[in-house]
Amino acid sequence: GAGVSQSPSNKVTEKGKDVELRCDPISGHTALYWYRQSLGQGLEFLIYFQGNSAPDKSGLPSDRFSAERTGGSVSTLTIQRTQQEDSAVYLCASKRERGGDGELFFGEGSRLTVL
Amino acid sequence: GESVGLHLPTLSVQEGDNSIINCAYSNSASDYFIWYKQESGKGPQFIIDIRSNMDKRQGQRVTVLLNKTVKHLSLQIAATQPGDSAVYFCAETPSGNTGKLIFGQGTTLQVKP
Repeated sequence: GAGVSQSPSNKVTEKGKDVELRCDPISGHTALYWYRQSLGQGLEFLIYFQGNSAPDKSGLPSDRFSAERTGGSVSTLTIQRTQQEDSAVYLCASKRERGGDGELFFGEGSRLTVL
Repeated sequence: GESVGLHLPTLSVQEGDNSIINCAYSNSASDYFIWYKQESGKGPQFIIDIRSNMDKRQGQRVTVLLNKTVKHLSLQIAATQPGDSAVYFCAETPSGNTGKLIFGQGTTLQVKP
């Protein structure tokens, strides 16, 4: 498709379970971002991939969170042993340019609810 | 730590009036700023950006002003329309041009018909 695609759009899980969230960026975009947005809050930076460089993981809140990007394209965000405070919308974005400038194109997000 | 914040959580304006949404940032070395609009249930959408070597940039019905002296950013929307109702976020790229983009908490703009 033409935009950033995320799946699933909604995920309900039980506390303690692992979840995987997927992001398909726009073709040709070199940078990929994951953000978390709690209800009524701003976007919290999680992780940033740029080409073949080591990802910036400085925003991951704990070692239960991890992300990978295979082949410079699709990315998966994994949350292990989910907790109720992990409930949020997880947004993925991609960008064509390297470095700081340029527009991020966001997906619609994956809404995670941990019971 | 570094943060980008907004002065007002909610702004209510009459349709046709101009809107001004403000943002304060804390990192004086940030060199790139963006405004995003987020409608309910959707991902944020780019509105306009500005580099730190500029103090004003205009788009279609929108203007971004940057005051580096007081670390203040504003978004002006002319002739506000009902379709402008959304949450608006400012964001900054910290120094070093790493690509990392830090978002503020957001201002809700409500347009009254």
